Amino acid sequence: QKEVEQDPGPLSVPEGAIVSLNCTYSNSAFQYFMWYRQYSRKGPELLMYTYSSGNKEDGRFTAQVDKSSKYISLFIRDSQPSDSATYLCAMRLEYGNKLVFGAGTILRVKS
Amino acid sequence: DTAVSQTPKYLVTQMGNDKSIKCEQNLGHDTMYWYKQDSKKFLKIMFSYNNKELIINETVPNRFSPKSPDKAHLNLHINSLELGDSAVYFCASSQDWGNNSPLHFGNGTRLTVT
Repeated sequence: QKEVEQDPGPLSVPEGAIVSLNCTYSNSAFQYFMWYRQYSRKGPELLMYTYSSGNKEDGRFTAQVDKSSKYISLFIRDSQPSDSATYLCAMRLEYGNKLVFGAGTILRVKS
Repeated sequence: DTAVSQTPKYLVTQMGNDKSIKCEQNLGHDTMYWYKQDSKKFLKIMFSYNNKELIINETVPNRFSPKSPDKAHLNLHINSLELGDSAVYFCASSQDWGNNSPLHFGNGTRLTVT
């Protein structure tokens, strides 16, 4: 069993839809949680960075962390074709910058 | 200006060859990393250097040897390449190792071993 599980998709939605992307994890010691977006043939770029449990909002993006359930989510409101990419969740311990990634979910937003 | 740049972008080579990938960051960061992304998009850390000192060395074959000549550069040398080494290799950097400092990735080196 992987430390971080993420449904690879692909997830296909119409433009304007609300998208929900999720990861579960097994290590309760993880404290920092991230979402990266990766376009084809590019490196991952950081979208959201949260510490411990709670919500964080940035424009159309909202990240949620539920440590009791070991479950994190990324919501994208009013999805656009430009949001089509692979979304990777990542997490790390309190100290040290060794990230553990999920396998990534492919998102396709159709216009 | 590209923050984390890798060369080459593509590398096609035969089994048994030795090759190097170079990485440079102009962000003034102290910590650099090599990650490997396999065909299923799974990203896994290989090495990390902090201030030119090796701090992470995951279970990677000895054929892989990182070198950090200074804080802004981290190179990866691979000996006796095998088919299973085919993947995309990403370099990344962060402000430091222990604090709240996100990783910035380069655009990857796509290695194909034939």
